[in-house]
Amino acid sequence: EADIYQTPRYLVIGTGKKITLECSQTMGHDKMYWYQQDPGMELHLIHYSYGVNSTEKGDLSSESTVSRIRTEHFPLTLESARPSHTSQYLCASSERGHDTGELFFGEGSRLTVL
Amino acid sequence: GQNIDQPTEMTATEGAIVQINCTYQTSGFNGLFWYQQHAGEAPTFLSYNVLDGLEEKGRFSSFLSRSKGYSYLLLKELQMKDSASYLCAVMDSNYQLIWGAGTKLIIKP
Repeated sequence: EADIYQTPRYLVIGTGKKITLECSQTMGHDKMYWYQQDPGMELHLIHYSYGVNSTEKGDLSSESTVSRIRTEHFPLTLESARPSHTSQYLCASSERGHDTGELFFGEGSRLTVL
Repeated sequence: GQNIDQPTEMTATEGAIVQINCTYQTSGFNGLFWYQQHAGEAPTFLSYNVLDGLEEKGRFSSFLSRSKGYSYLLLKELQMKDSASYLCAVMDSNYQLIWGAGTKLIIKP
C-alpha cells in the first residue's frame, strides 16, 4: 500500500482565489510529480521534482507553481483559480533511479472552480 | 509528436479473456507501463516491459514489440472487480512518461 497523501480530496472555490493542493509521501522517494486528469483523458504532467530544491515544468505548468523544501512534501499552488482549472489533480512519487519507474499515486484532489 | 493509442472502451464477460492493445509513437523508448485505475481512484501499477516478449503476472500478462511500437495487456479469468480503466504509458528518451487516454473495461456477468 502506497503512503502518499493528498489534501483536500474535494474543493469547490470561486474564480480568482488562490489555492494550494498538498501532497506528502512517507516512502522517502526523491522524485515527485503533479498530474492533471480529466474524465476519459490522459494524464498531463504539470510539474515534477528530482529532489529537495529541484522543480521542473511539465506540459501544463504555466498557471501553477510548486516547491520542494522537504523530501516528503510537494505542494501545488494556483495563484488565481479559473473555471478551466476544474479537474482532478494527482500527485505521485517514485524512487530516483528505480529502473522500472513505477509511480505511486495519491488519491487525488478534485477541484471545481465556479 | 508523441502519441499513445488505445481503444476507448471494451466489454467482456466474467470468466473470459480480454486483450487491450496499445500502440505508440514516441521520441525514444525506455519502457512501457500498464496501470489500472478504478473509477474515482488513483492509478495503480500493473506491469513494466522494456524488452520484447511476454511478461506474466498471475491473471495479467503484458506483451511488447518494440519494432512494431505495440503492446497488449491480457487479462484472464475476468472478475467483476477487473472493471476499471487500463492506462498505457511509455517512458521516452527523457525518462518522462507519455500517457494514453486509457481503455475503460466493462465486465458483464
